[in-house]
Amino acid sequence: GESVGLHLPTLSVQEGDNSIINCAYSNSASDYFIWYKQESGKGPQFIIDIRSNMDKRQGQRVTVLLNKTVKHLSLQIAATQPGDSAVYFCAETLSGYSTLTFGKGTMLLVSP
Amino acid sequence: NAGVTQTPKFQVLKTGQSMTLQCAQDMNHNSMYWYRQDPGMGLRLIYYSASEGTTDKGEVPNGYNVSRLNKREFSLRLESAAPSQTSVYFCASSERGQGPNEQFFGPGTRLTVL
Repeated sequence: GESVGLHLPTLSVQEGDNSIINCAYSNSASDYFIWYKQESGKGPQFIIDIRSNMDKRQGQRVTVLLNKTVKHLSLQIAATQPGDSAVYFCAETLSGYSTLTFGKGTMLLVSP
Repeated sequence: NAGVTQTPKFQVLKTGQSMTLQCAQDMNHNSMYWYRQDPGMGLRLIYYSASEGTTDKGEVPNGYNVSRLNKREFSLRLESAAPSQTSVYFCASSERGQGPNEQFFGPGTRLTVL
């Protein structure tokens, strides 16, 4: 399997539970945030994004919450499935900049 | 569309050897990036190219060089590989300058330097 998961915070849930993955971002000026999912042996895949003028955004089974006061992002996954098992990264940037700054990631393990 | 492709998928080098990692995207994106990923470290930016004809250093550029060959291709070169460069390397691309900066990633190159 992929070694990227070593030393990462891990969240273990049962299938059907709701999962909440947290991220503390570093730059108070950041105004755009993305959540990525990385399955074992693959590259990161976009899940959902949010701009700083919003505090909540919903997708299919996923919701991102943004708290700018404490520089905190969370990703909520409803009715978690075994296929959701992966490492989840948050990333931040300033609009107009090319580069993203990634967090260290959280491993989500979903058991049937 | 293939998206972002990387070659090779796996590579083993001896210390001091050189190699070039290739990356191509077919999404007509302006910006391309090279990252390395180490256990517990997340993704760290090595170099990026905001547009064709420009390249800039990222967080960890030492020991690497890049070439933006054309709009589609962005290569990463290790001139003299070191064990500290053992990592998984990801290339990404994005459409800069049009609002949100979602990056699309390739499948990665797993490099071991002995």
